[in-house]
Amino acid sequence: GIQVEQSPPDLILQEGANSTLRCNFSDSVNNLQWFHQNPWGQLINLFYIPSGTKQNGRLSATTVATERYSLLYISSSQTTDSGVYFCAGVSTDKLIFGTGTRLQVFP
Amino acid sequence: DAGITQSPRHKVTETGTPVTLRCHQTENHRYMYWYRQDPGHGLRLIHYSYGVKDTDKGEVSDGYSVSRSKTEDFLLTLESATSSQTSVYFCAISWTGLDTQYFGPGTRLTVL
Repeated sequence: GIQVEQSPPDLILQEGANSTLRCNFSDSVNNLQWFHQNPWGQLINLFYIPSGTKQNGRLSATTVATERYSLLYISSSQTTDSGVYFCAGVSTDKLIFGTGTRLQVFP
Repeated sequence: DAGITQSPRHKVTETGTPVTLRCHQTENHRYMYWYRQDPGHGLRLIHYSYGVKDTDKGEVSDGYSVSRSKTEDFLLTLESATSSQTSVYFCAISWTGLDTQYFGPGTRLTVL
C-alpha cells in the first residue's frame, strides 16, 4: 500500500543547531511535499519537491525519487522553527501524510 | 497566502446532532479537500472534490458527506455526530490535484 514514514518522531534542539528530518515513501507516490505546522496549528507548505534539491532561507529539501526518500534540512535553528513537520506524498490526486516529526527548539 | 477560510473555527455539539463545516476559497482552485487531524494519526483525508458536483471518498469517509455546488465552497456534513468525530478539521485546495496544497486555518470540533 501507499506509505509515508517519517523519522525521527521527536527532536529537541538548542537554538543554532542544525537538523535533518527524513521521509521514506513507497511506490506510487509521485510527488513529495513538506509542511510545517506551527504551535498555533497553522499548516504551511514549505516545499513541493518531486525530485532534486530546493532551498528557502535556512531550510532546504532534497528528494531522491529513485530511492524513495526525501530529507529536510534545517540550519541554524530558531525557536520559531518549533512545531511539527510533515511530509506528504501524492498518489493520483490524493495527498498521503506521514505522522510527522515534532521539533522543539530551545533558546 | 492562498485565500481559504473555514467556518466555524470552533464548535461544540452533542452526540446525534447534525453538523456542517464550510470551506470557502477565493483562488478558483479546482481541487478541494477535507482532512481530519488526530493525535498519533497525522492528517487523514475524508473526502475531496475535483470539480463542481464531483466528489470522491478518502481514507476515513464513513460518517461524513460532502457537497460542492460552487467552485468556491466545499461543505462537510456530519449527519449524526459521534464522539469519535471530535477532531480538528482542515480544508485544503490545489490546482491540479498533483501540485502544492494550501491549507485553511482549521476547525476544532468537539462532540460531547
